[in-house]
Amino acid sequence: NAGVTQTPKFQVLKTGQSMTLQCAQDMNHNSMYWYRQDPGMGLRLIYYSASEGTTDKGEVPNGYNVSRLNKREFSLRLESAAPSQTSVYFCASSERGQGAEAFFGQGTRLTVV
Amino acid sequence: GEDVEQSLFLSVREGDSSVINCTYTDSSSTYLYWYKQEPGAGLQLLTYIFSNMDMKQDQRLTVLLNKKDKHLSLRIADTQTGDSAIYFCAESIGNTDKLIFGTGTRLQVFP
Repeated sequence: NAGVTQTPKFQVLKTGQSMTLQCAQDMNHNSMYWYRQDPGMGLRLIYYSASEGTTDKGEVPNGYNVSRLNKREFSLRLESAAPSQTSVYFCASSERGQGAEAFFGQGTRLTVV
Repeated sequence: GEDVEQSLFLSVREGDSSVINCTYTDSSSTYLYWYKQEPGAGLQLLTYIFSNMDMKQDQRLTVLLNKKDKHLSLRIADTQTGDSAIYFCAESIGNTDKLIFGTGTRLQVFP
């Protein structure tokens, strides 16, 4: 049982380049999340998906797009990377309903130069 | 908007108790959570408390909730070096399962 798998683990981009961070979960969870983690800022929610085909903006959605094409996968796209997007990105999933545990991937460390 | 705040650092001696504090703003939060992040890893759920409870105990962990002051704390008894990590409190927003996390408290345990 792999849980939540993120790829890639590390990435360096040049300013203006685009890329997609992939996330897949094998726990049949309905809810999926993308967070970014920055020193002193904690985890900030970028986008959230309550179910296949639905997405909702979080606290810091600007500069990002997401896609939830099926129940397993939730991808995060940077169309034109900026140095301010240098961060560690975490994908998570949980069952619907409050009190449910969120399971996290190992993170993607992204550097934009 | 939603805001969850924590102090950034806490340093304790091995064997002492640690108390990590958190304040949150969404009074409609139904559940409040504590997550632990070890170096280079994602977050793992430690415990959670339902908003109609004042206290929850789970082995060495005690969670206290003061709903009037919107204050949440995590007490770790007999703190060990393996408890060194970043601890995040989180709240669920309204009736959703959207989770908002605090800034995290880095706990350092020294011998």
